[in-house]
Amino acid sequence: DTAVSQTPKYLVTQMGNDKSIKCEQNLGHDTMYWYKQDSKKFLKIMFSYNNKELIINETVPNRFSPKSPDKAHLNLHINSLELGDSAVYFCASSQGREGRTDTQYFGPGTRLTVL
Amino acid sequence: AQSVTQLGSHVSVSEGALVLLRCNYSSSVPPYLFWYVQYPNQGLQLLLKYTSAATLVKGINGFEAEFKKSETSFHLTKPSAHMSDAAEYFCAVSLSGNTPLVFGKGTRLSVIA
Repeated sequence: DTAVSQTPKYLVTQMGNDKSIKCEQNLGHDTMYWYKQDSKKFLKIMFSYNNKELIINETVPNRFSPKSPDKAHLNLHINSLELGDSAVYFCASSQGREGRTDTQYFGPGTRLTVL
Repeated sequence: AQSVTQLGSHVSVSEGALVLLRCNYSSSVPPYLFWYVQYPNQGLQLLLKYTSAATLVKGINGFEAEFKKSETSFHLTKPSAHMSDAAEYFCAVSLSGNTPLVFGKGTRLSVIA
């Protein structure tokens, strides 16, 4: 049983389109995250939600909008896709709000390619 | 501001040789430190973490890391490399509950037969 799952695994789309990536965790965790990993493998946090409440919102274009319908799901919607959005997007979750010592569990990633 | 520096974007070792991956951190408060591993086409998984208990931390797959405050380091070691250790390794630092985990740029470990 996959702990953190993401769909789709691969996403190829044209510039200007709108797309969504879904994430679900079955670990009973309270906190979920979205990370972007660029072509050089650099990993940077985008958003963090705790019990459906946004707690971290890094400097991300407002074309990116996370949505958390419940604490087990955190979806990422991207409007007007640009070439620079091409990357691997990882969802992760952790137990509590006090994330300092919590282990984060990562999904398998979604490779987004914008043409 | 907190930051993490991983020295060497690519490390290559022979099978059976010592693995040493370097990580230095910058922090104004006592940090919590993590090593994550990413196998090809997979997400990251935790190898080990330092949370202010013992300075020598043992993790999965025979890896360990030692927190050295005087050197602001948290280097990852394994006595004997195995082919299956080939992966990307990330050091990360956390300062407080609501600040994001900051990752280093990663070190790709290659293991040569």
